[in-house]
Amino acid sequence: DAKTTQPNSMESNEEEPVHLPCNHSTISGTDYIHWYRQLPSQGPEYVIHGLTSNVNNRMASLAIAEDRKSSTLILHRATLRDAAVYYCILRDPRSAGGTSYGKLTFGQGTILTVHP
Amino acid sequence: DSGVTQTPKHLITATGQRVTLRCSPRSGDLSVYWYQQSLDQGLQFLIQYYNGEERAKGNILERFSAQQFPDLHSELNLSSLELGDSALYFCASSVELAGAPTQYFGPGTRLLVL
Repeated sequence: DAKTTQPNSMESNEEEPVHLPCNHSTISGTDYIHWYRQLPSQGPEYVIHGLTSNVNNRMASLAIAEDRKSSTLILHRATLRDAAVYYCILRDPRSAGGTSYGKLTFGQGTILTVHP
Repeated sequence: DSGVTQTPKHLITATGQRVTLRCSPRSGDLSVYWYQQSLDQGLQFLIQYYNGEERAKGNILERFSAQQFPDLHSELNLSSLELGDSALYFCASSVELAGAPTQYFGPGTRLLVL
């Protein structure tokens, strides 16, 4: 699986936008960029994913660089409930090979702290 | 609530013992994944089942085994437990086998081996 690099931690104030960066310079043409987050004492939850174009959903926006070597997860107005570890994950939907089929490969993620 | 349930929530046992963790996927999801989260290793994929069949293996120890039953629930069996097996164990489910963008995670089972 292609590797992603994220800052260890970031801080934000409540009601302000948060931009969480992710570098993935070895991304392949078929890799999708996925974001999951893990709130304290909970299992990971899906946030958003995209391939080439920017994506929006009710939780967040995903901005993908033109060369696809980096992306940014945008939380438009952070709330205290958004404090979590955010994981940027690359997934090839073809998932060739029996050992990689379907799994998510989690890195260390970014710990987001939101201040009231 | 993701729709994925896991039991028990907490488990305390002794070294050398055997435990079974249970997972019920979301209604309609055929694929089940097991992950282990420890402080030193982070979240790691263990094994995947699809409609009763093993589909992929990750960093799963030989002392660990899993199965998925006809009603699609899954069990993860951990035997000859060691202190280092203490971790959070998550189950996740998804609809499709290939390329499914979303995995839905359960709340996890916290295992403490003393």
